[in-house]
Amino acid sequence: GESVGLHLPTLSVQEGDNSIINCAYSNSASDYFIWYKQESGKGPQFIIDIRSNMDKRQGQRVTVLLNKTVKHLSLQIAATQPGDSAVYFCAEIRDATNKLIFGTGTLLAVQP
Amino acid sequence: NAGVTQTPKFRILKIGQSMTLQCTQDMNHNYMYWYRQDPGMGLKLIYYSVGAGITDKGEVPNGYNVSRSTTEDFPLRLELAAPSQTSVYFCASSYNRGYTDTQYFGPGTRLTVL
Repeated sequence: GESVGLHLPTLSVQEGDNSIINCAYSNSASDYFIWYKQESGKGPQFIIDIRSNMDKRQGQRVTVLLNKTVKHLSLQIAATQPGDSAVYFCAEIRDATNKLIFGTGTLLAVQP
Repeated sequence: NAGVTQTPKFRILKIGQSMTLQCTQDMNHNYMYWYRQDPGMGLKLIYYSVGAGITDKGEVPNGYNVSRSTTEDFPLRLELAAPSQTSVYFCASSYNRGYTDTQYFGPGTRLTVL
């Protein structure tokens, strides 16, 4: 079936290093992707999004890259901080359905 | 603005009991959603609503019911609780369709069915 999934369930990085979280999707019809951050005991928080007609989008300390050829999405966090420790989810929306399909999640653990 | 609020924060139910999870948003958003999140997993859409009086099924609607009588409120009803419904439930809202507007999530309701 169609799904969105993550390559790495846990990622441990040193404070100040850059983090890269990866996500694979299987539905080539998906046209919108979102990264969410979820801290323990809280709801998901929007980080950054990207449309399928883009390859790259940058925010504050975060960059999302989209490779439609291999159906791969990544989230890059520059100068990772302890406050970045959380579970990160990628999600896709297939145009006209307006439904978010979430991946499994990657736990980012930032070591001081 | 309080954003999206959910009550209760925690609840333990016995098999066969019923309950309503409350969700309210004060952002005048048209779209509202209910998700469930099982341990270590992503969120799955249960039901959503595009406006007062209009609801539709998501990925996992079985065992749940919703109503949307006002713009602000979107309660989720469990009629006959089952252990498989043990999960964390998140309500979300957005002004417009998800791909043109951000979904804002509530803090969640942790439900255990024993």
